[in-house]
Amino acid sequence: SQTIHQWPATLVQPVGSPLSLECTVEGTSNPNLYWYRQAAGRGLQLLFYSVGIGQISSEVPQNLSASRPQDRQFILSSKKLLLSDSGFYLCAWSVYGSGNQPQHFGDGTRLSIL
Amino acid sequence: AQTVTQSQPEMSVQEAETVTLSCTYDTSESDYYLFWYKQPPSRQMILVIRQEAYKQQNATENRFSVNFQKAAKSFSLKISDSQLGDAAMYFCAYRSAWGTQGGSEKLVFGKGTKLTVNP
Repeated sequence: SQTIHQWPATLVQPVGSPLSLECTVEGTSNPNLYWYRQAAGRGLQLLFYSVGIGQISSEVPQNLSASRPQDRQFILSSKKLLLSDSGFYLCAWSVYGSGNQPQHFGDGTRLSIL
Repeated sequence: AQTVTQSQPEMSVQEAETVTLSCTYDTSESDYYLFWYKQPPSRQMILVIRQEAYKQQNATENRFSVNFQKAAKSFSLKISDSQLGDAAMYFCAYRSAWGTQGGSEKLVFGKGTKLTVNP
């Protein structure tokens, strides 16, 4: 069966520090991968999605970036964090050409910027 | 662009009773998918139920069912025999059936409804 792992679960970082959040999927090949952010009391905002290695699409201009160095690995990064980057970050995957198949989410990373 | 609206920021229900959560969406497309996700305090997003727009029959999953009204662009979730474990944020989501691969599979979420279940 397929599983998705996301880490770390929680992270406290000072303003201006770098960021690296990692997400990996097991049990499937060539998945679509997604990074979402959920601000407190808000819905999910899609940040990036990827349909293949090295293929990244950005939905929202910001100081974050994403990379997909391997088929089932998706990384969210920043060179300098802002206070506004605080939130709950979720990674998700779906079957490539998924039709009615849902997206499956990781457990999330709670990021606090001090 | 498609939008999803959940007009009830919070709802409450007594244990064993039935509650309906509302969702409306705006789209010019004829083929799409709709989902309800549940996010308990643990924050994990869990799929509750899905509906294909081309299907007239409303989807059901055990105690969960939907009332899909395509013409009205409405997709409400009914929870029967509510249990304490149903307490969570519930998100309605839309996905187009067309467009670029990966891009067409983006989910558009509503802002959520917080459901409280009272014992």
